Amino acid sequence: DTAVSQTPKYLVTQMGNDKSIKCEQNLGHDTMYWYKQDSKKFLKIMFSYNNKELIINETVPNRFSPKSPDKAHLNLHINSLELGDSAVYFCASTLKWGNEQFFGPGTRLTVL
Amino acid sequence: AQRVTQPEKLLSVFKGAPVELKCNYSYSGSPELFWYVQYSRQRLQLLLRHISRESIKGFTADLNKGETSFHLKKPFAQEEDSAMYYCALITGSQGNLIFGKGTKLSVKP
Repeated sequence: DTAVSQTPKYLVTQMGNDKSIKCEQNLGHDTMYWYKQDSKKFLKIMFSYNNKELIINETVPNRFSPKSPDKAHLNLHINSLELGDSAVYFCASTLKWGNEQFFGPGTRLTVL
Repeated sequence: AQRVTQPEKLLSVFKGAPVELKCNYSYSGSPELFWYVQYSRQRLQLLLRHISRESIKGFTADLNKGETSFHLKKPFAQEEDSAMYYCALITGSQGNLIFGKGTKLSVKP
């Protein structure tokens, strides 16, 4: 009964490919997020989304796009992958503003 | 600008010693601050938040608005406390977390 799950856990791919990472939460939360953790362990917000609003961090390239088929899912699509995209991507969710965010286990993306 | 600063990249202490992980913030409004922890090969999880004012696993953190700090403290470190600790500030209409760069705590036997 994992609260926030991500697939795949590991993703190895070539430069230029397009890939997706899936995230699902079974907590009934309204808001979901994507964070990127780079090789130095820096964590940075990429997107936040609820059923009303998508907020994109302005530093995120438009090759990255979140897609939410329903309230429980927020998938991350990445086009034309670059070496610098290699990182661990974390999905998270929260019930409402100011509450604890629950994180997924992360997806380690390696671009060769 | 909104910012969270954790000046120590690595903090190494011996078991039983006191530990303090520093965190300073920059925020124009009334801050809501958190400490998240990431144990080895585990997901990021909430350790504590300033509004709850509770002690979790022996850790406490007090918000000092004058010094714009939210340092994490524990009087007697344990080996199982070894982990990556992130201080975070909540911001924006959707509650995005701005994280500090993290401090790796290593507790030696």
